[in-house]
Amino acid sequence: GAVVSQHPSWVICKSGTSVKIECRSLDFQATTMFWYRQFPKQSLMLMATSNEGSKATYEQGVEKDKFLINHASLTLSTLTVTSAHPEDSSFYICSADRYNEQFFGPGTRLTVL
Amino acid sequence: AQSVTQPDIHITVSEGASLELRCNYSYGATPYLFWYVQSPGQGLQLLLKYFSGDTLVQGIKGFEAEFKRSQSSFNLRKPSVHWSDAAEYFCAVGPFSGGGADGLTFGKGTHLIIQP
Repeated sequence: GAVVSQHPSWVICKSGTSVKIECRSLDFQATTMFWYRQFPKQSLMLMATSNEGSKATYEQGVEKDKFLINHASLTLSTLTVTSAHPEDSSFYICSADRYNEQFFGPGTRLTVL
Repeated sequence: AQSVTQPDIHITVSEGASLELRCNYSYGATPYLFWYVQSPGQGLQLLLKYFSGDTLVQGIKGFEAEFKRSQSSFNLRKPSVHWSDAAEYFCAVGPFSGGGADGLTFGKGTHLIIQP
């Protein structure tokens, strides 16, 4: 139990386009989901906390207009990278909270050309 | 602000040998402490966690960790490693939020290599 999926697992896009990444909790409901970013050989950095039915809370230094988060249901949160640029290329990982434990998705590799 | 330090970027261990991965944290309040493992193409998997109580915590896959408040450490150990343990290991700290949920602060990870 407590499986989290992400879609797509990888995406390549042109600079200036927008990309949407989905995070789903498959067998449980999650009021709170989190989005992390991981650079190569680096740690995971928390980007934002996504709360169902309310606005996301962004960490300091994360542009909320750049990284749009929507948590429309108890099993789905989406991260949209708007007007993507090469510096946005990274590994994006989501997690879903269940009883104060986070369950992580497999991640999405974004490459912006 | 909280922080997590994993001083070893890479560690190489022979199969069957013991393992210890170091983790030091800085946190102003009572922390939640976690160890996760990340394999290529896989999501992070929780190995073990510490909230309170017994400072020696047992986890999955034969791992254990010891919380030492005086040293601000939460080192991960395994008495005998297997080739399948080769992966990236992350130590993380989170606030003791009770009924709430908060994001985690991760260390930079330790890449474990197993020699045959």
